[in-house]
Amino acid sequence: NAGVTQTPKFQVLKTGQSMTLQCAQDMNHEYMSWYRQDPGMGLRLIHYSVGAGITDQGEVPNGYNVSRSTTEDFPLRLLSAAPSQTSVYFCASSYSGLGRVFFGPGTRLTVL
Amino acid sequence: GNSVTQMEGPVTLSEEAFLTINCTYTATGYPSLFWYVQYPGEGLQLLLKATKADDKGSNKGFEATYRKETTSFHLEKGSVQVSDSAVYFCALSDQTGNQFYFGTGTSLTVIP
Repeated sequence: NAGVTQTPKFQVLKTGQSMTLQCAQDMNHEYMSWYRQDPGMGLRLIHYSVGAGITDQGEVPNGYNVSRSTTEDFPLRLLSAAPSQTSVYFCASSYSGLGRVFFGPGTRLTVL
Repeated sequence: GNSVTQMEGPVTLSEEAFLTINCTYTATGYPSLFWYVQYPGEGLQLLLKATKADDKGSNKGFEATYRKETTSFHLEKGSVQVSDSAVYFCALSDQTGNQFYFGTGTSLTVIP
């Protein structure tokens, strides 16, 4: 199993550009989520999904969109990037919300 | 609401020293508690967890006990090694398991 994979590993954007961070898992997990990690802030939940077709907002959802068309994939979209979105983004998955959570390796995003 | 507070770092210890990283939480209902570890350049990995009061989670020589009376989940290890150098995150999940709340992380450096 590859576990949780994220692409790209690094990305630099200009303010106002859009992009999609990709996340995939091959463990048939129902639950997937996106976090951002900022210095001194720990990890904060952006959006999560409890199954294909079902998504919900976390603590810091503004400026991000998600969709879950398949069990395996959970992309995170930035429609108009802002410098405040400079962060490291982690995707995570688990069999259920209460199960062991597996994290991807992260995407480091810089918005100029 | 739910939140996690953990001791600020960085923490520097000599090899074989005793480690304590304090973690306290605020939660409604009956959360599950976790410690995650993040090695440089990697995503988070589950270190240990406890799902109810008085449970003790343990792994790789690390231990933490879920103390409801003091709302704490302190991480301890009797003898740290250089390979334990990492950032440690305390976290809780709500009763549904749909949302995780992370502390800000504590950086540990173990010197030979």
